[in-house]
Amino acid sequence: GAVVSQHPSWVICKSGTSVKIECRSLDFQATTMFWYRQFPKQSLMLMATSNEGSKATYEQGVEKDKFLINHASLTLSTLTVTSAHPEDSSFYICSARGGRESTYNEQFFGPGTRLTVL
Amino acid sequence: GQSLEQPSEVTAVEGAIVQINCTYQTSGFYGLSWYQQHDGGAPTFLSYNGLDGLEETGRFSSFLSRSDSYGYLLLQELQMKDSASYFCAVRVKNYGQNFVFGPGTRLSVLP
Repeated sequence: GAVVSQHPSWVICKSGTSVKIECRSLDFQATTMFWYRQFPKQSLMLMATSNEGSKATYEQGVEKDKFLINHASLTLSTLTVTSAHPEDSSFYICSARGGRESTYNEQFFGPGTRLTVL
Repeated sequence: GQSLEQPSEVTAVEGAIVQINCTYQTSGFYGLSWYQQHDGGAPTFLSYNGLDGLEETGRFSSFLSRSDSYGYLLLQELQMKDSASYFCAVRVKNYGQNFVFGPGTRLSVLP
């Protein structure tokens, strides 16, 4: 199956700093990538959808200026949490979907990034 | 808006069969997916139903009834390693054709 990597797998930072998380599709071209956050024992909450070469579309309640998403190529999307605060501590997961209809029904998830803001 | 409902917890013993239900209310429905997530891990794809009926993949089967806005995941011959959270997710017709995830069902398989 398709492989999606995320880096870093975990990060601890001080309040007020910015953190960048990378999501890469390793063996396929991802026309669409999704960013989720997940709190312990809860479901995945979609934060934004990004298509290569265009601006990300954010879900209601997600601050676009705080969570900057860049999808510069068909294999790389980044999420930058700016001026992080302790309430931003969470598990951030990206997923990717290919452009072919045969793969359209399946999302391939990265391993996730656990962010802890002190 | 979209909303999905799943039981929060299910417990079963090894070798048993368990069914996890999912009901949904959504606009622009495309299909229903199921994902498995072990503690601390990422979700992994199990199945997708775009049409009514049963899809079988090994020990796992998934069913969809579009008229009832209902689906289920059936796990047979349960193994300890099946202990995980299971999420149904609706693929919706919107700008990104993204998936909306249900609250998840935590399955505990006992010896």
